[in-house]
Amino acid sequence: EIVLTQTPLSLSVTPGQPASISCKLSQNLLYSGGKTSLSWYLQKPGQPPQLLIYEVSNRFSGVPDRFSGSGSGTDFTLKISRVEAEDVGVYYCMQSIQPMYTFGQGTKLEIK
Amino acid sequence: QVQLVQSGAEVKKPGSSVKVSCKSSGGTFSNYAINWVRQAPGQGLEWMGGIIPIFGTPNYAQEFQGRVTITADESTNTAYMELSSLRSEDTALYYCARGGPNYDSLTFTPLGGWFDPWGQGTLVTVSS
Repeated sequence: EIVLTQTPLSLSVTPGQPASISCKLSQNLLYSGGKTSLSWYLQKPGQPPQLLIYEVSNRFSGVPDRFSGSGSGTDFTLKISRVEAEDVGVYYCMQSIQPMYTFGQGTKLEIK
Repeated sequence: QVQLVQSGAEVKKPGSSVKVSCKSSGGTFSNYAINWVRQAPGQGLEWMGGIIPIFGTPNYAQEFQGRVTITADESTNTAYMELSSLRSEDTALYYCARGGPNYDSLTFTPLGGWFDPWGQGTLVTVSS
């Protein structure tokens, strides 16, 4: 099983300031077709998770461009260029390589 | 636009089983994976397993092997997750989520992809 380790587990950010979340994998991600199956989700309080980023760096439809994803191999990062109040919640990375899909433990973002 | 609507909350006794449904509307059902993810109170997300309805062969997380059964009915665009031998630790919100169309050519189980959309969640409470 691929283990995903997110850091930090929580962060408190002033509106307008940047934020960064790391997701480190216990082994490399790649499957046939050359695509890297790493995605990011935000779970706002009381809601199901929502997709932010897929295949490492592709912003999902409707996701603000202040969100960006990067990385390769075993190290991946989600960045928020300017945090807004609506960004509060728990962020999860997920790998979807066969046969076991796994999530990071989550990073809770709060607003100062 | 694809929408996933799950069945309502359940209260179960330890040792019993629960079956949660996930009905898809507004898009193609058969060719895209349906995955199940659970979230215990105050905890993170845990993938349980997935299935591509047109193939009907699920894959399961090791932790749930032998206790979970995931099926899909193409005639009603509905996927199901049944968890047996329930214990108090199974008290959680259970989500279905649509994955991608890619699959392992040997096992015909879901491969890669991302999860969107998600169902609203079904709370399963296990209590004596």
